[in-house]
Amino acid sequence: QVQLQESGPGLVKPSQTLSLTCTVSGGSISSGGYYWSWIRQLPGKGLEWIGYIYYSGNTRYNPSLKSRVTISVDTSKTQFSLKLSSVTAADTAVYYCAREVSYGSGTQIDYWGQGTLVTVSS
Amino acid sequence: DIQMTQSPSSLSASVGDRVTITCRASQSISSYLNWYQKKPGKAPKLLIYAASSLQSGVPSRFSGSGSGTDFTLTISSLQPEDFATYYCQQSYSIPLTFGGGTKVEIE
Repeated sequence: QVQLQESGPGLVKPSQTLSLTCTVSGGSISSGGYYWSWIRQLPGKGLEWIGYIYYSGNTRYNPSLKSRVTISVDTSKTQFSLKLSSVTAADTAVYYCAREVSYGSGTQIDYWGQGTLVTVSS
Repeated sequence: DIQMTQSPSSLSASVGDRVTITCRASQSISSYLNWYQKKPGKAPKLLIYAASSLQSGVPSRFSGSGSGTDFTLTISSLQPEDFATYYCQQSYSIPLTFGGGTKVEIE
């Protein structure tokens, strides 16, 4: 059973960089066919896909966040990470890490972490 | 970006009711449509992928249909554990986008 767990500061100051790590257990982060993703839920709102990374290091980002986002992977530690720079209060959200699995030309998100609340405030 | 519009945004229903939620894409997404269930404080759970395929372990009272731009999620007989918010999501193109959610409440 694959499990994902987010970790990182719950409070970040405006203009600073939000940094989160996702630790994957019960499965290999280096297996082909999987994309390791970050998704967030803004307070009282829906879900927003941030981006994903393949084990090879290839990334895709949401264009709305692309200039501020970096997703990286450490296969030796079975971890992948999110960095979001120049944060504002609008980035306050519950952040989820997740695994996307491909089927044909599409993907589905079959495993999620429990989510971690990150508040941007001075 | 492909916009996903769900309706209704909320509904009230009773245990045993048949519930239908619709999702419309702003352009054709073939069958690249997934449905998730989310409960407060919990991670979303995949119910349906590729518009109509039931995820392993999900009760058969859940079903999905549609292709192109119009999709539906049906719960054939609502159970107490089904009261939650449901989201559709397209994987046809980047960025992946979600519908705004449908909250299913107890009547």
